Amino acid sequence: QSALTQPRSVSGSPGQSVTISCTGTSSDVGGYNYVSWYQQHPGKAPKLIIYDVSKRPSGVPDRFSGSKSGNTASLTISGLQAEDEADYYCCSYAGSFTSVFGGGTKLTVL
Amino acid sequence: QLQLQESGPGLVKPSETLSLTCTVSGGSISGTNYYWGWIRQPPGKGLEWIGSIYYSGSTYYSSSLKSRVTISVDTSKNQFSLKLSSVTAADTAVYYCARRAGWDWYFDLWGRGTLVTVSS
Repeated sequence: QSALTQPRSVSGSPGQSVTISCTGTSSDVGGYNYVSWYQQHPGKAPKLIIYDVSKRPSGVPDRFSGSKSGNTASLTISGLQAEDEADYYCCSYAGSFTSVFGGGTKLTVL
Repeated sequence: QLQLQESGPGLVKPSETLSLTCTVSGGSISGTNYYWGWIRQPPGKGLEWIGSIYYSGSTYYSSSLKSRVTISVDTSKNQFSLKLSSVTAADTAVYYCARRAGWDWYFDLWGRGTLVTVSS
């Protein structure tokens, strides 16, 4: 179970859109539609923002969207706001009742 | 409103066993289709899934930690626990307990986390 690959950092200006990628293998991301995304502000617990590749929990703004192509999942944040500045983690089912997380991406709102 | 709260020693000596408990309040662990899990985060690093347990006692562990991890559940106390043996400094991390829906694969509810430092 190797960690999923995410860019270490991305940045964007308020109002812009950014996309964070999450690359795995056919044994995890590519094999199942069980990719989830979490937002983590400093000193806080992660918060679920996307599940099942593209579904949003109640209360999560529709500025957050998810998709997947092959072994790579993506999180897009449109209309960037200052409060979106945080760390973002992807997670995937990896078979045999196990999960694997990505290494995390730091989003900076310029 | 369901809440999870981690508890346990904040300092563990190398080679000893790390023990943490997650108390579930506002709802029951038993008879619900949820898995209860542990996830950790070393300082300044990413999240790592450790393992999960069902209220019936079925357990699933990360292959990288499997030889050292035991997760158990006490339905009478509405708690589940983590034991990690033979710890080293590399096990220093914030440890989170979290809930996963049994019919899906995402963690929708998290505890606040507790920092465990491995040091002599």
